[in-house]
Amino acid sequence: GQQLNQSPQSMFIQEGEDVSMNCTSSSIFNTWLWYKQDPGEGPVLLIALYKAGELTSNGRLTAQFGITRKDSFLNISASIPSDVGIYFCAGLGNFGNEKLTFGTGTRLTIIP
Amino acid sequence: EPEVTQTPSHQVTQMGQEVILRCVPISNHLYFYWYRQILGQKVEFLVSFYNNEISEKSEIFDDQFSVERPDGSNFTLKIRSTKLEDSAMYFCASSSTSGATGELFFGEGSRLTVL
Repeated sequence: GQQLNQSPQSMFIQEGEDVSMNCTSSSIFNTWLWYKQDPGEGPVLLIALYKAGELTSNGRLTAQFGITRKDSFLNISASIPSDVGIYFCAGLGNFGNEKLTFGTGTRLTIIP
Repeated sequence: EPEVTQTPSHQVTQMGQEVILRCVPISNHLYFYWYRQILGQKVEFLVSFYNNEISEKSEIFDDQFSVERPDGSNFTLKIRSTKLEDSAMYFCASSSTSGATGELFFGEGSRLTVL
């Protein structure tokens, strides 16, 4: 089946640092999304990307949909304590397909 | 802000018992989903539901699973005879547009523990 691999698996950073994480796939996705999951809660959508090459920002977050449609990255600038959590990329395949395939996750920890 | 609500937040059951997990999607949403997350692993798609029928399901969603929208507000997931490996967090999600946008609103989840 389709697999999305995220790296790094975990990150330990200081408050104020920038963060970069990425997601790669062996197969093409037509839509890429980034979700964040806080402990004990469900995933929350951060950014959605619909066109190859698209670069989209949402506040301190910036994400890009790779030209090959097989990868995406997420950057967080000037991290703050509430950025702590697990970040999942997710992809949608063919048009009309409703199954979101989630990545393996990147756990972000901020060191005080 | 409207949200997806799920009950119970945690259910412990014996292997072989039936379990029903309940969800109240956001009121004007038309597309409903169940996903699950085994502890420490990624979120996995189970089933999508639109217009009172299943529109897509994964290989995980076998004959032991069923979904229902018994009235205008609830959306339920039933596991007929639970197995140990069904222990997971089950997330309900809804969307106002076709799930083909990927923009889903998730509930806080129901943790199922099968003993």
